[in-house]
Amino acid sequence: AQSVTQPDIHITVSEGASLELRCNYSYGATPYLFWYVQSPGQGLQLLLKYFSGDTLVQGIKGFEAEFKRSQSSFNLRKPSVHWSDAAEYFCAVGRSGGGADGLTFGKGTHLIIQP
Amino acid sequence: KAGVTQTPRYLIKTRGQQVTLSCSPISGHRSVSWYQQTPGQGLQFLFEYFSETQRNKGNFPGRFSGRQFSNSRSEMNVSTLELGDSALYLCASTPTDTDTQYFGPGTRLTVL
Repeated sequence: AQSVTQPDIHITVSEGASLELRCNYSYGATPYLFWYVQSPGQGLQLLLKYFSGDTLVQGIKGFEAEFKRSQSSFNLRKPSVHWSDAAEYFCAVGRSGGGADGLTFGKGTHLIIQP
Repeated sequence: KAGVTQTPRYLIKTRGQQVTLSCSPISGHRSVSWYQQTPGQGLQFLFEYFSETQRNKGNFPGRFSGRQFSNSRSEMNVSTLELGDSALYLCASTPTDTDTQYFGPGTRLTVL
């Protein structure tokens, strides 16, 4: 069965500092990987996705993620965080974009930005 | 293009009642998926519809059901509500089953 682990429930980062959110997955085939962000009271917004090709993918809002097959990881990074980045971040895995049989999500990482 | 819309945004029901939630996908999107989000279980896949057919269903009891109309709008229904059904219910749409899902703002259901 597929699964996603986000080891950090909460992360606190100072504004302007760099950020890395960890994601490890378990999947039997070549995975489709995603990072979504959720602000309070809102739905999920797609930050970036990996389907194939270059293992370093760029997303919106200055985020990037690197797919490492050998480590079954898809960590999210940002060189300099802004106060508006405070939110819940979810890593997800699926057979495709998610339409046919859904995505499996991690439990999320709550990002707190210190001034 | 307008995004995925869900109605109502908030709902309060009592145990034993039933509820219907609505989702309008992005124009041109034919696949609609539903997810339940709770603090304890996180985000869990409920079911997916494509061209009015349910193609896949997550591990939820039969009290949870859904349907899709010819215009791709979808509804989900929960019968005999339980306290544990309190959650944020998210709808997502894609043009096909291989494309990225785009999520709506969700419906917050509270069961008293």
